[in-house]
Amino acid sequence: DTGVSQNPRHKITKRGQNVTFRCDPISEHNRLYWYRQTLGQGPEFLTYFQNEAQLEKSRLLSDRFSAERPKGSFSTLEIQRTEQGDSAMYLCASSAGQSENSPLHFGNGTRLTVT
Amino acid sequence: AQTVTQSQPEMSVQEAETVTLSCTYDTSESNYYLFWYKQPPSRQMILVIRQEAYKQQNATENRFSVNFQKAAKSFSLKISDSQLGDTAMYFCAFMRGGGADGLTFGKGTHLIIQP
Repeated sequence: DTGVSQNPRHKITKRGQNVTFRCDPISEHNRLYWYRQTLGQGPEFLTYFQNEAQLEKSRLLSDRFSAERPKGSFSTLEIQRTEQGDSAMYLCASSAGQSENSPLHFGNGTRLTVT
Repeated sequence: AQTVTQSQPEMSVQEAETVTLSCTYDTSESNYYLFWYKQPPSRQMILVIRQEAYKQQNATENRFSVNFQKAAKSFSLKISDSQLGDTAMYFCAFMRGGGADGLTFGKGTHLIIQP
């Protein structure tokens, strides 16, 4: 069990640029979640995949955000035309989905700073 | 929609003391699960303990236990014999049955264990 891996750990970008983050879940975990966490707050749900299907999207996920999980393994989260308000920690989590309450395993996150 | 409220932004106790972190939630769901996650300064979220709403018995994991009061929609975490390594942000989280929209987190409680 190598855990959930997220890359890069840190990303600094200028406003208006596009960024892409990658998440590699625990092998054979069919559920994958993206969250956003700002300072002093709990993580906020962004989107959920079961295998390659994106089944849920939060209202927080504006049209500048897109997530994919093309082969049901790794996932990418892209933010287009970044804004300073996008600065946050982006967390990925996966679970086995064998039962409803299978625990989520989180990665270390990608910290995005938009200047 | 579900909400999770943690009313204690920060708590500080001496090593070896017992500490209780509060959490209340609001939901109209009948099938749901509750969790406590720990986020140390390294920022990886780690599951501490979980509780199925249909179970009356309070969950226990070593030094960690919960007081689940379903009617009051309260889910507090008790840490016995606190250790320096328990210093972290603690998040209470809710997940409705099915898990499709993942976890709803509270804002967290920063727990500091003093030597």
